[in-house]
Amino acid sequence: IAGITQAPTSQILAAGRRMTLRCTQDMRHNAMYWYRQDLGLGLRLIHYSNTAGTTGKGEVPDGYSVSRANTDDFPLTLASAVPSQTSVYFCASSDSTGGSPLHFGNGTRLTVT
Amino acid sequence: GQNIDQPTEMTATEGAIVQINCTYQTSGFNGLFWYQQHAGEAPTFLSYNVLDGLEEKGRFSSFLSRSKGYSYLLLKELQMKDSASYLCAVRDSNYQLIWGAGTKLIIKP
Repeated sequence: IAGITQAPTSQILAAGRRMTLRCTQDMRHNAMYWYRQDLGLGLRLIHYSNTAGTTGKGEVPDGYSVSRANTDDFPLTLASAVPSQTSVYFCASSDSTGGSPLHFGNGTRLTVT
Repeated sequence: GQNIDQPTEMTATEGAIVQINCTYQTSGFNGLFWYQQHAGEAPTFLSYNVLDGLEEKGRFSSFLSRSKGYSYLLLKELQMKDSASYLCAVRDSNYQLIWGAGTKLIIKP
């Protein structure tokens, strides 16, 4: 089944540890995104990639990094986790055309203690 | 700054009709999206408006007025499974999506 897969589903992480959230899509979408979702706030863009080999910063990029080595994979790395990074993380992808909706993965629930 | 406003929470009765409003102030406009998000799940796409007017998709319709910076999502014949959060998002002049905080819709029998 075509779609977008995130791993892990949930994780409890000690502050200061490094963590990579994985995201893979098989829809051959050019654009991919990482969002965080916190209670009472809208989805906030962390980083994005319009095409393989390029990445850009979103609204809340500090403390996060991404890479886009190929079309399918878009991992998000927390170099040294802090409690404020406790959140639900969604990866999404879309075709490049303006009216194309985002397709979301099932999310990763991350708790930093 | 850019801003999307939606009511935080709404309550409606099974079988009834509910309208969820969204007002926006963004740097440019390249389309408006509505998503549904059930608790603990990912958002799923409902509708897209780029021109003024009404788009109908079964029980769901979405309306856009670009001059007023306003959209609404209309849900008819409400079912218990429609209990969810509804997210409004606008694509700005840079083709970035600006998201509202979402409206939690509670359906009562």
